[in-house]
Amino acid sequence: AQSVTQLDSQVPVFEEAPVELRCNYSSSVSVYLFWYVQYPNQGLQLLLKYLSGSTLVESINGFEAEFNKSQTSFHLRKPSVHISDTAEYFCAVTSPQGGKLIFGQGTELSVKP
Amino acid sequence: NAGVTQTPKFRILKIGQSMTLQCTQDMNHNYMYWYRQDPGMGLKLIYYSVGAGITDKGEVPNGYNVSRSTTEDFPLRLELAAPSQTSVYFCASSPSSSYNEQFFGPGTRLTVL
Repeated sequence: AQSVTQLDSQVPVFEEAPVELRCNYSSSVSVYLFWYVQYPNQGLQLLLKYLSGSTLVESINGFEAEFNKSQTSFHLRKPSVHISDTAEYFCAVTSPQGGKLIFGQGTELSVKP
Repeated sequence: NAGVTQTPKFRILKIGQSMTLQCTQDMNHNYMYWYRQDPGMGLKLIYYSVGAGITDKGEVPNGYNVSRSTTEDFPLRLELAAPSQTSVYFCASSPSSSYNEQFFGPGTRLTVL
């Protein structure tokens, strides 16, 4: 069985500060990893994903995540956050063999001026 | 393309009432999903479908039913509403295969009193 743990339920930061949202997964098989973002009162949108190849993946709005197999982690980072990044972020895992997408509990990122 | 649409946006039910949450997608995706989102719990899969006429249970199916008569529509039925079903419900769709992103609707906020 697969599982995902997001280590922080809430992360408050000031605008232009760096941020890291932590995600650890558990799986006995190879994995695909995803980060989704949910802005207030909206559905989830894909932010970025790791399928294979380069362990560092980037989104179009400056976020990046690094797949670390030995640490079973997929932490999300941004060097300088904006007010508009305020949202809830979900890490998710599935396997290449198919199967359901398993979500973490979510991390609420709050960017303050 | 409208993507994934859900109706209604909000609903209040009394205990024991029934209702159907509607979900439609116009992307010709084979896979469709119903999730519920509760604070601090992430998203839990209720039911999913891999094509018209095929449905299967997810992690938390009790108290719900689904049908999939067309590729576009995937309604979720609550037969006897209970307070434990107070939640935000999201419908999602994806092309086949686990590496594809899921596209989410805007959600239905349901309160059972």
